[in-house]
Amino acid sequence: AQKITQTQPGMFVQEKEAVTLDCTYDTSDPSYGLFWYKQPSSGEMIFLIYQGSYDQQNATEGRYSLNFQKARKSANLVISASQLGDSAMYFCAMRGPDSNYQLIWGAGTKLIIKP
Amino acid sequence: NAGVTQTPKFRILKIGQSMTLQCTQDMNHNYMYWYRQDPGMGLKLIYYSVGAGITDKGEVPNGYNVSRSTTEDFPLRLELAAPSQTSVYFCASSYEPFSSYNEQFFGPGTRLTVL
Repeated sequence: AQKITQTQPGMFVQEKEAVTLDCTYDTSDPSYGLFWYKQPSSGEMIFLIYQGSYDQQNATEGRYSLNFQKARKSANLVISASQLGDSAMYFCAMRGPDSNYQLIWGAGTKLIIKP
Repeated sequence: NAGVTQTPKFRILKIGQSMTLQCTQDMNHNYMYWYRQDPGMGLKLIYYSVGAGITDKGEVPNGYNVSRSTTEDFPLRLELAAPSQTSVYFCASSYEPFSSYNEQFFGPGTRLTVL
């Protein structure tokens, strides 16, 4: 069965520092996709970045990058130059052919940026 | 485009009452999903639909029903509400889940409390 693990329930980071949010996954399927979503206190789910299992390069989107280590089954989100507005819950999710179209979600990491 | 819209935003139900959570998307997406998010947790799939007239159960379908008579609408029905159904409900849609890249677009959520 597919599974996503986020081992950091909460993190405090100083503004302007880089932060890494951990995500490990478990799947036996060679084809899968990994997503990161941000959920601010207002509650909406905001898509941040995607990494496909066959992608040759790590994904980047502005200040967000994904440290994809396929052999270790990890897909950590890196936020460079953190801002106060980055304070939110961050969820890692996985989609695979055997997941019946759904995304499998981790429990999330609560990130708080300190001024 | 409005994207994915959900109504109501908030609702309080008494035990045993029923209600329908509305979800509409204007992106002509075939795939639609209902998730629930319990406090401090990730999302769990309740039901999904791959097109008008086709629905299937997700991870936690008990106590819920869905229908998909049009591409745009995917209502979620709660029958005989129970305190365990207190949660935030998200509707999402996507164009093609088996493509290498498949972002799910989320509605703003419905916060439901059952007392």
